[in-house]
Amino acid sequence: SAVISQKPSRDICQRGTSLTIQCQVDSQVTMMFWYRQQPGQSLTLIATANQGSEATYESGFVIDKFPISRPNLTFSTLTVSNMSPEDSSIYLCSVDRNTEAFFGQGTRLTVV
Amino acid sequence: DAKTTQPTSMDCAEGRAANLPCNHSTISGNEYVYWYRQIHSQGPQYIIHGLKNNETNEMASLIITEDRKSSTLILPHATLRDTAVYYCIVRVDNYGQNFVFGPGTRLSVLP
Repeated sequence: SAVISQKPSRDICQRGTSLTIQCQVDSQVTMMFWYRQQPGQSLTLIATANQGSEATYESGFVIDKFPISRPNLTFSTLTVSNMSPEDSSIYLCSVDRNTEAFFGQGTRLTVV
Repeated sequence: DAKTTQPTSMDCAEGRAANLPCNHSTISGNEYVYWYRQIHSQGPQYIIHGLKNNETNEMASLIITEDRKSSTLILPHATLRDTAVYYCIVRVDNYGQNFVFGPGTRLSVLP
């Protein structure tokens, strides 16, 4: 298994501000994934983050809105920029190990 | 888009077997069937996966039809703690492939 620590677990933010979510993994992984789960919905992939290269974003997600850092093989951050109430969601990071996906507990973001 | 279809919701009596169906009629030969579940306010949790043979572990059994176009996840003795959303996902068994989540099945285990 993989142990993934996400911080913060939840936050309430003012519109127009930015929040950076951290994801720490207990061992080195090449790829990390960031997902969004809007209220009552399933998970949607935002981007894939490789160490040493720019993240690859899915359709509908852009780097200016969701910049991602991947400074080493155990850590990544996702920033939600210039937030609006529509960004209120759970954000989850995930890693692959032995072809299974392991997920953090998520960051529950409320934008007011 | 997700390549699977599942019922939106199901109920199961506590102590009984929960049988969750999944259709994946367009599955490719190199794609596996994965099952995850998400208990409220938690990240998804891996349950089981398989290619074409039936699989069993400490959590559940996975029954895949011979033509691989559908499968069933079986929780043999459902408890209240099994109440969750269950996701059936097909994916190539290669490292680094993301999972595409559909809406899943909301299983309610009733006392």
